[in-house]
Parts: sequence; C-alpha cells; structure tokens
Amino acid sequence: QVKLQESGPGLVKPSETLSLTCTVSGYSITSGYFWGWVRQPPGKGLQWIGSTFHSGSTNYNPALKSRVTFSVDTSRNQFSLRLTSVTAADTAVYYCVRVRGGRPLENWGQGTLVSVSS
Amino acid sequence: EIMLTQSPGTLSSSPGERVTLSCRANQSVSSNYLAWYQQRPGQAPRLLISGASSRATDIPDRFSGSGSGTDFTLTVSRLEPEDFAVYYCQQYSSAPITFGQGTRLEIK
Repeated sequence: QVKLQESGPGLVKPSETLSLTCTVSGYSITSGYFWGWVRQPPGKGLQWIGSTFHSGSTNYNPALKSRVTFSVDTSRNQFSLRLTSVTAADTAVYYCVRVRGGRPLENWGQGTLVSVSS
Repeated sequence: EIMLTQSPGTLSSSPGERVTLSCRANQSVSSNYLAWYQQRPGQAPRLLISGASSRATDIPDRFSGSGSGTDFTLTVSRLEPEDFAVYYCQQYSSAPITFGQGTRLEIK
C-alpha cells in the first residue's frame, strides 16, 4: 500500500524559498504515475500546484508556474517542491499526491503546514 | 481553465436526512472526469466518487454521484454523524486540475 509523507520547514520568511519533500513508501516512483502537490490555505479550499514524472517531465498550474520547480530523487524514492519568493498568501497546508492520467487523486499525504512570516 | 462552482456554501442538516450537493462547471467536463472528496477537520481529503458516479473503494453506498457535462451532484441518502464535513468536487479532464470551493455540511 502506497504511503506519502511530506517533510520540510514549517516556517519560511517572506521573499524566501519554500522547499518540501515527499517520501513515498510501498511503491517505487519510477514504476509509473505522476507525483504532485496540492495546497490549502487555512480555512480555504484546495489548489492544484502541479505534478512531475520521474523522468523530469512536469506540468504546473499557470497561476504558480513562474515560481514553482519540481524535482525527483529516485534513489531516495522522493520528490520535491520549491516555491520561490513566498508571501503570506503562500501560507497553507501542502499535500503530496499520487497522480494518474484520467484518474482522480486517490492517494494523499497527511499534509504539512507551512507558514510564511517574518 | 475549468471553473467549478459548488452550492450551497453551507448546508445544515440532521442525521438520518438526505442531502444533495451541487457542482457546476463553466464548461463541459469531458469523459465525466469529475470527482468528489470528503475532508474532515485536520485530515487530508478522501476520495468518495470518481467518474461522476463511481464510488471509491470502501465508500458506503449511502454516497452516490450523478450528472454529466456541466452539472453534477453528490447525494448522501441517510446522514451519519461522521458525514458532517466539507465536500469538494474536482475535475481532472483538462489541465490544470481544478477544485470547487467546497460545501460545508454541518449538523442542524
């Protein structure tokens, strides 16, 4: 059974870079599927950030594309998110997800709260 | 980008009652690639329905989905205490994936 677990700093200063890692267990990230990120500001709805394939192919939400970068570490079975020039509006719970074309988001991490504050 | 509008924003109901939640898209959702999720406080969203009407694994049959094109509904036939939560619709037919703003189902 696949499990996803987010990790990273819970506090980031404005204008700095937010970096999160998702560790996948129970499934090799090179075996298929895309791997993605969804975020949720406190008390608000869900926003798709984008996804990546282990080969490096990516797709980003146009709303965030200029600030987002994904990467994959197949040796550690991890994938990562970098979001640059953060502001308070980037404060959110960040979820990593497993993504399959033509399918909904069936597998989610538990989420990690990242606050942007000085 | 496909925009999804959910209504109502908040729904008050009682255990045992039947409720219907709505999700409307601003353009057709091809292949009925529309999903519903339930989110309880402090938890990740949980998939309930995919393909507009197919229940996910281990989802009770009191949850049902219907609709096509631009109009979709989620029905809970007999509310249980654990069903009071926030519900989101999501389309995965075209990039970027988008979500509705959510319907909060609260105990009356």
